[in-house]
Amino acid sequence: DVKVTQSSRYLVKRTGEKVFLECVQDMDHENMFWYRQDPGLGLRLIYFSYDVKMKEKGDIPEGYSVSREKKERFSLILESASTNQTSMYLCASRASGPLITEAFFGQGTRLTVV
Amino acid sequence: QKEVEQDPGPLSVPEGAIVSLNCTYSNSAFQYFMWYRQYSRKGPELLMYTYSSGNKEDGRFTAQVDKSSKYISLFIRDSQPSDSATYLCAMSARAGTALIFGKGTTLSVSS
Repeated sequence: DVKVTQSSRYLVKRTGEKVFLECVQDMDHENMFWYRQDPGLGLRLIYFSYDVKMKEKGDIPEGYSVSREKKERFSLILESASTNQTSMYLCASRASGPLITEAFFGQGTRLTVV
Repeated sequence: QKEVEQDPGPLSVPEGAIVSLNCTYSNSAFQYFMWYRQYSRKGPELLMYTYSSGNKEDGRFTAQVDKSSKYISLFIRDSQPSDSATYLCAMSARAGTALIFGKGTTLSVSS
């Protein structure tokens, strides 16, 4: 059973804190992604990675950074959390190659910044 | 213009109804089209996928892609209360790359 695991389901952090969201996949996928999901805005891409130590900015990277030191792990970092970063964060992984490949999602981390 | 447009609903139907969900897109390079279903407080799960144009059927679900019109659809036949969820269309130009999502349509099926 393929799996993408996010370290926390719910988090409450204070404004200005440094926040780490962890994601691990067990499918040996090359590609990993971080999205945030907000009512009325849908899923928006924050950052993605096509290989270890590689990262690319998505549509809304401001206020975030990422780390991919190992193939199976992709971390999202909020350098200084702000209330407008309160959201549902979703990690996904997807295989490369010419075949149709779906993106597998984790269960999500609901982050509240107070 | 947003790359992928999807009517957020909400859409409410009685059990047994036929449901039609749609998305339009602007990027003619998109070739991989997917529909995800997301239950409340869960991550999205793949429901259907198609490559390029055409139809694909899986049980009560049919996905259609019309690349000439830049329009994709998901049909649900004999809808059930368990189909109540948010349905997200997603697409990409190349395999393995980031999916671009619509905002999602919230569906409620009443018994």
